[in-house]
Amino acid sequence: GDSVTQMEGPVTLSEEAFLTINCTYTATGYPSLFWYVQYPGEGLQLLLKATKADDKGSNKGFEATYRKETTSFHLEKGSVQVSDSAVYFCARTWGGSEKLVFGKGTKLTVNP
Amino acid sequence: DAGVIQSPRHEVTEMGQEVTLRCKPISGHDYLFWYRQTMMRGLELLIYFNNNVPIDDSGMPEDRFSAKMPNASFSTLKIQPSEPRDSAVYFCASSSRLAGFWNEQFFGPGTRLTVL
Repeated sequence: GDSVTQMEGPVTLSEEAFLTINCTYTATGYPSLFWYVQYPGEGLQLLLKATKADDKGSNKGFEATYRKETTSFHLEKGSVQVSDSAVYFCARTWGGSEKLVFGKGTKLTVNP
Repeated sequence: DAGVIQSPRHEVTEMGQEVTLRCKPISGHDYLFWYRQTMMRGLELLIYFNNNVPIDDSGMPEDRFSAKMPNASFSTLKIQPSEPRDSAVYFCASSSRLAGFWNEQFFGPGTRLTVL
């Protein structure tokens, strides 16, 4: 079935380091792809999204490009900050419905 | 808008008791989702509604779980009887296909449930 696989964490970086969190999805249909972020003690919030192949989603310095040829949607940021410490979830749409299928989440800790 | 509102934020109960979690979606949103989050299983979709009608409840773990949406501004998730393995954070989310928010789900702060 439709699924999303993201790299296992936790990931620990120093401030201003480069971040990549890998995400791949099952190649069924034409899904929209998302990255959500969950800060401690809060619900998930949308970070960025892409709705078709070669689209690039971006927000708050984070970017991800919808790669159909590699079925990937890797999250990147050039210079992380302590405030980026959170859990990041990759997600895709399921069929033509409003359902989202989430990856297991990757916990990022950024040290000063 | 106040966002998605959930209550209570924390619930501690004893095994066998009934638990009711409440959610108020964002006004005007026509989809409502209930999720459960645990360390072991991650984020699981339990059920979702469209225009107050349950569309997919395939994620509801068993008959002890039930969800209702009596009107567009209120939903409940009930567990009866509760068991220790139900301990988790339960999230409610809402979305709308209108205004360009296609598939963007807005999450509430969650209810942390502990069943002793």
